Amino acid sequence: ELKVEQNPLFLSMQEGKNYTIYCNYSTTSDRLYWYRQDPGKSLESLFVLLSNGAVKQEGRLMASLDTKARLSTLHITAAVHDLSATYFCAVDISPLGTYKYIFGTGTRLKVLA
Amino acid sequence: NAGVTQTPKFQVLKTGQSMTLQCAQDMNHEYMSWYRQDPGMGLRLIHYSVGAGITDQGEVPNGYNVSRSTTEDFPLRLLSAAPSQTSVYFCASGRGMTYEQYFGPGTRLTVT
Repeated sequence: ELKVEQNPLFLSMQEGKNYTIYCNYSTTSDRLYWYRQDPGKSLESLFVLLSNGAVKQEGRLMASLDTKARLSTLHITAAVHDLSATYFCAVDISPLGTYKYIFGTGTRLKVLA
Repeated sequence: NAGVTQTPKFQVLKTGQSMTLQCAQDMNHEYMSWYRQDPGMGLRLIHYSVGAGITDQGEVPNGYNVSRSTTEDFPLRLLSAAPSQTSVYFCASGRGMTYEQYFGPGTRLTVT
């Protein structure tokens, strides 16, 4: 069965602290995506990771992909309240050209002032 | 560009009723898809289309129909609504070698 597992599911952290969200998947893929969702809103694309060893950074967030371990991480540096949201990873399981995503269950992040 | 648009934003249906959720994109994306999001879960793929006239099933297609007569539009039809179809529905589109998808604002559907 195809699975994409995120942990933790819930994360409450203090402002200024660092933390990592993990995304493990059970199938071969070299395309992984991170999205952010605010309550009641749509999904906003954060990172597109398209090969083994890919690393992308935007502000306080950095994402990486290890296709051999089937693992992606989303690292938060010096968290601020504005980062409070739910973060999803999604794995593209398709052969080239069909965009078939399997989503993780999401990590709900709350940054406390 | 308006991006991906969905209508309606909210809808309440009675069990057994049918309706169509609308999705349109103005980015000339060849790929479009429908997902549902249930509380505490990630999104699950219902149906997708790789171009006008071509559709296929995703993870949870039962109870839903789609068609794609134009590049811009990808409506989702609920044939006979059931309470288990209460969910938030997102439409997405994408194009190009990154296979990145862009999501619409969602339709919150309640079936009583």
